[in-house]
Amino acid sequence: EAQVTQNPRYLITVTGKKLTVTCSQNMNHEYMSWYRQDPGLGLRQIYYSMNVEVTDKGDVPEGYKVSRKEKRNFPLILESPSPNQTSLYFCASSLSPFPTSDSPLHFGNGTRLTVT
Amino acid sequence: SQQGEEDPQALSIQEGENATMNCSYKTSINNLQWYRQNSGRGLVHLILIRSNEREKHSGRLRVTLDTSKKSSSLLITASRAADTASYFCAPRISSGSARQLTFGSGTQLTVLP
Repeated sequence: EAQVTQNPRYLITVTGKKLTVTCSQNMNHEYMSWYRQDPGLGLRQIYYSMNVEVTDKGDVPEGYKVSRKEKRNFPLILESPSPNQTSLYFCASSLSPFPTSDSPLHFGNGTRLTVT
Repeated sequence: SQQGEEDPQALSIQEGENATMNCSYKTSINNLQWYRQNSGRGLVHLILIRSNEREKHSGRLRVTLDTSKKSSSLLITASRAADTASYFCAPRISSGSARQLTFGSGTQLTVLP
């Protein structure tokens, strides 16, 4: 089944403890992206990747890192999480990396992160 | 960042009624996409309309696009309780950043049985 898989689904951690949220897609998509969703603020893009070893900042990249060593995986790393990073996180992918394409985004089921 | 703004923020209707949601955006687009999100889950792509199209249908969904007014609407006909969800529009801008789709805060649709 074609899907974007995020893990974990729920995560509670403490301030400053490094964590990684994994994202994997099995559709051979070139483009991958991370979003966070907060009440009243909609979805905001954190980082995106056009292809392997090509990543760039979105709207709210501060406090986050990403890597794209393989086409299928795009982990989100929080080196020193803080309470303001408590949020619902989504990974998404699409076939084409080009802005002009019709490729829709395929979303994972989300990771609810709480930082205390 | 370029994003669509959905209106209204919340909409509550009875089962069987039609639901209309609107989207406004700010600049030239290649296409505009609508997504649906069930509570706490990932967004699911519903329908895409290109900038040279004015109307598109998919099942009970009807999307219109008016590029002169920079607006789009999503109509769900004969709504069902299962249509209860948040709906987001995502304009894909014509030029500039490759950041692709950005999203607003959505319209929360509640369909009452």
